[in-house]
Amino acid sequence: DQQVKQNSPSLSVQEGRISILNCDYTNSMFDYFLWYKKYPAEGPTFLISISSIKDKNEDGRFTVFLNKSAKHLSLHIVPSQPGDSAVYFCAASAQGGADGLTFGKGTHLIIQP
Amino acid sequence: AAGVIQSPRHLIKEKRETATLKCYPIPRHDTVYWYQQGPGQDPQFLISFYEKMQSDKGSIPDRFSAQQFSDYHSELNMSSLELGDSALYFCASSPGVSQPQHFGDGTRLSIL
Repeated sequence: DQQVKQNSPSLSVQEGRISILNCDYTNSMFDYFLWYKKYPAEGPTFLISISSIKDKNEDGRFTVFLNKSAKHLSLHIVPSQPGDSAVYFCAASAQGGADGLTFGKGTHLIIQP
Repeated sequence: AAGVIQSPRHLIKEKRETATLKCYPIPRHDTVYWYQQGPGQDPQFLISFYEKMQSDKGSIPDRFSAQQFSDYHSELNMSSLELGDSALYFCASSPGVSQPQHFGDGTRLSIL
C-alpha cells in the first residue's frame, strides 16, 4: 500500500516556465513533508520541507504548498532552469519528522530549452 | 560543507556472505537513518538511531542489524546475503526533530 503517491512518472516543462510537481498521501499521522531532488548515482538532495502547521513554505525558486484536508502537497519551481532536470521525490514522516521517511516513487522532471 | 559519508561506495558479495556498511553523519547530527533502494524503486526506510539508541524501525529484515557508536557513526550489518539484497543503501543524518534528513551518496551492494 503506497502511502505517498506521485502519480506523474514524468513531466516536461519549457525553460523559464513554472514546474508543478504533485504528491498525495494517505496516512493521517504524517506531519512533516519534504521534497528531494535526485541525480543518478547520487543520494537524494534536500530541497525544501514543510510542517503540517503551515500551508506554504518558500525558498528562492522553490515553494511547497500543503493542503491537509485533501492530503495533497505540491512543489512549484519558478522559473524552471535546465539544471532542474532530475527525479524529484516527495517524502513524508510522522512524529514531527523524527520517524523514517516514506517516499513516493518519484517524478522525472525534464526542462526543455 | 561536510556531508554524510558512506563507505564503501561499491561492494560485491556472494550469497550467504556477510557485509558491513558504514555511515559517518554530518558533524553535530545526532540521528542516523538507513534506507534501501532497489532497482527502479523508491527508498525504503530500514532503521534509525538517535543518541546511539534505536529510535524507529521500518522494513529491516531479521538478517540485518545496525548500531550507532559513541562518535555517532553507524554501521549496518547484513548476514546470509540473498540475491534480493542487491540494492543501493543510503544513510541519512539529521540534527533533530522537524529538521530535514541529509543523505549520503549510498553504497551499491551487488550479490552474485
